[in-house]
Amino acid sequence: QSVLTQPPSASGTPGQRVTISCSGSSSNIGSNYVSWYQQLPGTAPKLLIYRNNQRPSGVPDRFSGSKSGTSASLAISGLRSEDEADYYCAAWDDRLSGYVFGTGTKVTVL
Amino acid sequence: EVQLVQSGAEVKKPGESLKISCKGSGYSFTSYWIGWVRQMPGKGLEWMGIIYPGDSDTRYSPSFQGQVTISADKSISTAYLQWSSLKASDTAMYYCAISSGSYSLSYYYMDVWGKGTTVTVSS
Repeated sequence: QSVLTQPPSASGTPGQRVTISCSGSSSNIGSNYVSWYQQLPGTAPKLLIYRNNQRPSGVPDRFSGSKSGTSASLAISGLRSEDEADYYCAAWDDRLSGYVFGTGTKVTVL
Repeated sequence: EVQLVQSGAEVKKPGESLKISCKGSGYSFTSYWIGWVRQMPGKGLEWMGIIYPGDSDTRYSPSFQGQVTISADKSISTAYLQWSSLKASDTAMYYCAISSGSYSLSYYYMDVWGKGTTVTVSS
């Protein structure tokens, strides 16, 4: 069972803003950086956000990340059909001495 | 271009051993952590562990400690994930990925991924 909790699903219509939450604890999100990954159907995960709010080159600025205390969130603005995917948060956990992924959120574009 | 090329799909029987590989190119193989992630059919991502090829420092998730072995051969820029006795529950997709951001694990993230290796264990 993952130590980072995400809602199982989120949805929106094209153009809308969708936000995904990620709840952790003091040993992971509370003391380390958060990253976010997008996994399109049948493909390998892709880094979307690192160090809480940094976007790798090539990731549209429609994707943004934030962190407050032991929680983090990913926002997708101007939702597009190609954003339909699974999204995972992740962070290093000092208590487990390992990296932990969130439970994952499936985003559906209605 | 930074690239990770994983070995091909495997079909094995319970009890058999297996070693899958992940070959890095386009970067200094000894300078970045390289890790493994499991994804069971229809399930989420699970971090298994990492190795720093420069000094072979290896860390395992408590869930996978003792179940698998992570190693690397820096002479051929290749990391490995190994099982000594497979179980049906090892059936999954396995991804390798590097962390190019920093040696410090507080900054750890996985920014370049391989395409994955499917492992099927069935009698």
